[in-house]
Amino acid sequence: EDQVTQSPEALRLQEGESSSLNCSYTVSGLRGLFWYRQDPGKGPEFLFTLYSAGEEKEKERLKATLTKKESFLHITAPKPEDSATYLCAVQEGGGYNKLIFGAGTRLAVHP
Amino acid sequence: EAQVTQNPRYLITVTGKKLTVTCSQNMNHEYMSWYRQDPGLGLRQIYYSMNVEVTDKGDVPEGYKVSRKEKRNFPLILESPSPNQTSLYFCASSLKKTATLYGYTFGSGTRLTVV
Repeated sequence: EDQVTQSPEALRLQEGESSSLNCSYTVSGLRGLFWYRQDPGKGPEFLFTLYSAGEEKEKERLKATLTKKESFLHITAPKPEDSATYLCAVQEGGGYNKLIFGAGTRLAVHP
Repeated sequence: EAQVTQNPRYLITVTGKKLTVTCSQNMNHEYMSWYRQDPGLGLRQIYYSMNVEVTDKGDVPEGYKVSRKEKRNFPLILESPSPNQTSLYFCASSLKKTATLYGYTFGSGTRLTVV
């Protein structure tokens, strides 16, 4: 069965304290792995798409990497405005590009 | 502004009273989908539509109906809501050709409480 597991469930960091969020997945025929950011009371907002093992994408303080079984979202020197829930999703193949989501990691960055 | 618009944002209703949550997108997207989000369970797909008049069940379709009579609109209908449908609902859409690049564009969500 296709599955996406994110860890940790919640993470508290001090401003400037770098860390990583993990997304492990099992899916047949991975077409893409997506990272989204979700702020309270809002819908998920697209961050990155990764397609193959070894690929990396960066955006400001965020860097996403992909292996054959997991993806990491590295946050370098985070700021309080990086506080949000980060969602990982995998897209399986077939005629319809369905997204399967993990439960998310709630990140809180304190000054 | 390109967006997915859901209404209402908040809704409290009683068990058994039929309701509709509307979803509209202005980006000419072929794909539209409904998800529910529950603590610890993540986003789960309820129904999806690949184009006008083409809809299919997602992972948790029981108790829900949808229709796609126009390309821009994809309403979610709860014929007889029950308390276990209390959740945060999101509508999402994408272009077929860019779904693999960007995933979906999501609406702001509808928080539904059934008492």
